[in-house]
This record gives sequence, C-alpha cells and structure tokens, in this order.
Amino acid sequence: SQTIHQWPATLVQPVGSPLSLECTVEGTSNPNLYWYRQAAGRGLQLLFYSVGIGQISSEVPQNLSASRPQDRQFILSSKKLLLSDSGFYLCAWSVKGGGYEQYFGPGTRLTVT
Amino acid sequence: KNQVEQSPQSLIILEGKNCTLQCNYTVSPFSNLRWYKQDTGRGPVSLTIMTFSENTKSNGRYTATLDADTKQSSLHITASQLSDSASYICVVRKGSGTYKYIFGTGTRLKVLA
Repeated sequence: SQTIHQWPATLVQPVGSPLSLECTVEGTSNPNLYWYRQAAGRGLQLLFYSVGIGQISSEVPQNLSASRPQDRQFILSSKKLLLSDSGFYLCAWSVKGGGYEQYFGPGTRLTVT
Repeated sequence: KNQVEQSPQSLIILEGKNCTLQCNYTVSPFSNLRWYKQDTGRGPVSLTIMTFSENTKSNGRYTATLDADTKQSSLHITASQLSDSASYICVVRKGSGTYKYIFGTGTRLKVLA
C-alpha cells in the first residue's frame, strides 16, 4: 500500500530563518507530487507541483521554492521566512493522468515568529 | 473566474441528526468533483468523487449529489456521529489542466453528544 510522510509535524521558526520541509512517498513510482498551503479559514492553495525528478512548476510567486531530487521525494524550502509564511503545509501525490485522487500527507504546522 | 464556494461556513448538530453541506462552483471546463473530510491538524481524506455524468454517489453514511447544469453539489450525512466532526472540503478539478484542483474553503461541522 502507498503511504506519504511529512516532517517535521510542527515547526516554529523566526522571521528570516531558512526552511526545509520534506515529503516522501512509499509504495508507488513516478507519482505527481504537490505542495499546498492552508491558511486559517482559507482553502488549500497550490504552491508547487512536479511531474518528475527535477521538474517543478510554481503556481504562485513567493519566497518559497521546491525541489524533487528523487522520484518519491519532494522538498519545500525558503532562504528567509516571512511572517506570512505561517500556515499548514500539505504534501500530496497522485497517479499520473490527472483524474485520480490526490492523497495527502499528515501536514506540517509552521509558525513564523 | 474559477471558484468553489461552500456553505454553510460552519454547522453544529446533535449526534444522530442528518445534515447537508452545499458546494457551488464556477470552474470550467469541469472534470470531476470530490468531497474530502479533514480532521483538525490532519491531511484531507477523500470521501467521494463525481464525474459529469454522475448524479448521486454514496459512501456509507455520506451521499453526494451533483447537478452539472446548475453547477451545484451537496454532501448529505445521515445519522451523524461524533467522529463526523471535521471540515468538509469540496474540490473541483478543472478539465483543461491536469493539475488544476480548485478547493473550497470548507464547512466546519461539529457534532455534539
């Protein structure tokens, strides 16, 4: 069976500090991978998606970046965090084809102070 | 503009009662619509998926309906349980883009004993 992991589960970082969130998927190959952010009282916002190693597409301009160094590893990074980066970050995967269900990870709660 | 709007924003019901959540969308072209359940601090989990030709689909005590003409969907929960307390998110996949999932802001349901 497939599983998706995210870590850390919670993170408190000061403004201006770097960020690295990691997501890994097990039990499937060549998945589509996604990073979402969920702010309080708002819907999920797609940040990045990837169809393969090294292939990253950004949905919104921001000070975040993403990388996919391995087939089932997706990393969300920032060089300098802003207060507005606080939120609940969710990683998701789906089978190629686009019509299939997205499976979400447990999420990372990021608080920038 | 591609949007997904859900109502009510929040709902409180007594255990054992039924409830109906609404989702209106303006996403075009339409591919499919999913309802997700998201427990607090967790990733969303899919309840149902509906394509253009489907009117009703059930998953246990959850029944989703879709009216593609009026671009409306509903999620009916029968005989609610305490464990139904969660946010319910309506997500519409846009047909022209493989990765275009438009998320509603969700309905927060609280079931009281």
